[in-house]
Amino acid sequence: SQQGEEDPQALSIQEGENATMNCSYKTSINNLQWYRQNSGRGLVHLILIRSNEREKHSGRLRVTLDTSKKSSSLLITASRAADTASYFCATETTSGTYKYIFGTGTRLKVLA
Amino acid sequence: GAGVSQSPSNKVTEKGKDVELRCDPISGHTALYWYRQSLGQGLEFLIYFQGNSAPDKSGLPSDRFSAERTGGSVSTLTIQRTQQEDSAVYLCASSGTGVGPLHFGNGTRLTVT
Repeated sequence: SQQGEEDPQALSIQEGENATMNCSYKTSINNLQWYRQNSGRGLVHLILIRSNEREKHSGRLRVTLDTSKKSSSLLITASRAADTASYFCATETTSGTYKYIFGTGTRLKVLA
Repeated sequence: GAGVSQSPSNKVTEKGKDVELRCDPISGHTALYWYRQSLGQGLEFLIYFQGNSAPDKSGLPSDRFSAERTGGSVSTLTIQRTQQEDSAVYLCASSGTGVGPLHFGNGTRLTVT
C-alpha cells in the first residue's frame, strides 16, 4: 500500500504563478524527499528534508514538514513551462528495513 | 560517471513467457531498489537490496516475481509466466548508503500481449 498521498492529483497554473503540492503519510519517518518525473520515465531528486527539520529551500523550491500532522508541502515559486511534470514525495520509514515508499504524485501543468 | 542503466528500454512479450529486466547501479552504491509504475500511477515498491543484508522482498506482488543482485552490483528482476497486468514501467534506483537521494534509471517499459 502507498505510504504517501499527494494532493491535488492534478494542478494547472499559469506561468509565473506559484504551485503548491501537499503530501501526507502514515507512519514515522527519518526523512522525506521530493522527486520530479518527466514523461513517465526516471525520477530526479529535488530536495530532502529530515524529520527534525521544519523547512528547507533550494532555488525556487520550498519544502515544509510537519511531523505532528504527518504532512509535507512543496512550493514552486515563479513557475515556468519547464516545471511541467509529475511530482512525488517519498518517505524513508523507520519501521522494518529503511526503504523509500512513494506517494501517488501530483501532475503539474504550467501554461505559457 | 555513468548513471543507473536499465535494459532493455522496452520489452514486448507474450502472455505466459518469462522476462528478465536488468539494472546496473551507480558504481559503489550499496542500496538498490526496484519499483513498478503503471500508466499514470504512482510508484509501487517491489524489492530493496542493501549491501550484504537479506533483501526486503515485501513488495513483490506474487511468487512469479523474483530478483537477485550479484556481487553487490548488477540486479536482475525476473517475472515468470507473465500476465497482462504485469504491463508497466519497471524502475530501478540506487543510492550510496540507503539514506539520501535515489538515482533512477530510465526504466524498462514492459508490455505483455
